[in-house]
Amino acid sequence: QSVLTQPPSVSGAPGQRVTISCTGSSSNIGAGYDVHWYQQLPGTAPKLLIYGNSNRPSGVPDRFSGSKSGTSASLAITGLQAEDEADYYCQSYDSSLSVYVFGTGTKVTVL
Amino acid sequence: QVQLQESGPGLVKPSETLSLTCTVSGGSVSSGSYYWSWIRQPPGKGLEWIGYIYYSGSTNYNPSLKSRVTISVDTSKNQFSLKLSSVTAADTAVYYCARDTYTAFDPWGQGTLVTVSS
Repeated sequence: QSVLTQPPSVSGAPGQRVTISCTGSSSNIGAGYDVHWYQQLPGTAPKLLIYGNSNRPSGVPDRFSGSKSGTSASLAITGLQAEDEADYYCQSYDSSLSVYVFGTGTKVTVL
Repeated sequence: QVQLQESGPGLVKPSETLSLTCTVSGGSVSSGSYYWSWIRQPPGKGLEWIGYIYYSGSTNYNPSLKSRVTISVDTSKNQFSLKLSSVTAADTAVYYCARDTYTAFDPWGQGTLVTVSS
């Protein structure tokens, strides 16, 4: 059950900045639960990109940044590169459903 | 670094039980610092959390699957397993195991495609 809504697709030219929104509700993001972001390159498993709303694991370029406000969160990619073409998913916890929940996913295309 | 690897049949008949195992290397399932989760992704679709287990054997399942799911752990083999009963075509998916840091999933196994078909 995808209770976190993301735009199906975003695109940008190399070097540009793109943002992906993740909209939730008062029982997940708005309740204070952390938001995490995953990058899924074609044919591979998801990889943790941002944890705890805005923290980057070791090895993740600082071109990727995350933020959270109210019932939404955002992932920004600056200096877009061809290798950033992938699907991106947000994830949090929902207290009314008692489950970890994922976003609907966003496909990033580099023009 | 910790690595996870799923294994099990790639084809399961409708109404039968899907069984998968996740083998952990470079770390221990007995670590009290993590849960160990299963997550699935139907072809071309999004991600769905199935459930997790703690090394002690305590579990938490997605309510939408709870009646059909069993997750177990074998600390002697450093493995944890998934059983999903009464499968239908809707259960066809890539199944991932992942380490659950009490909030985020990291790392993930490479995933294994399970097709439900007669």
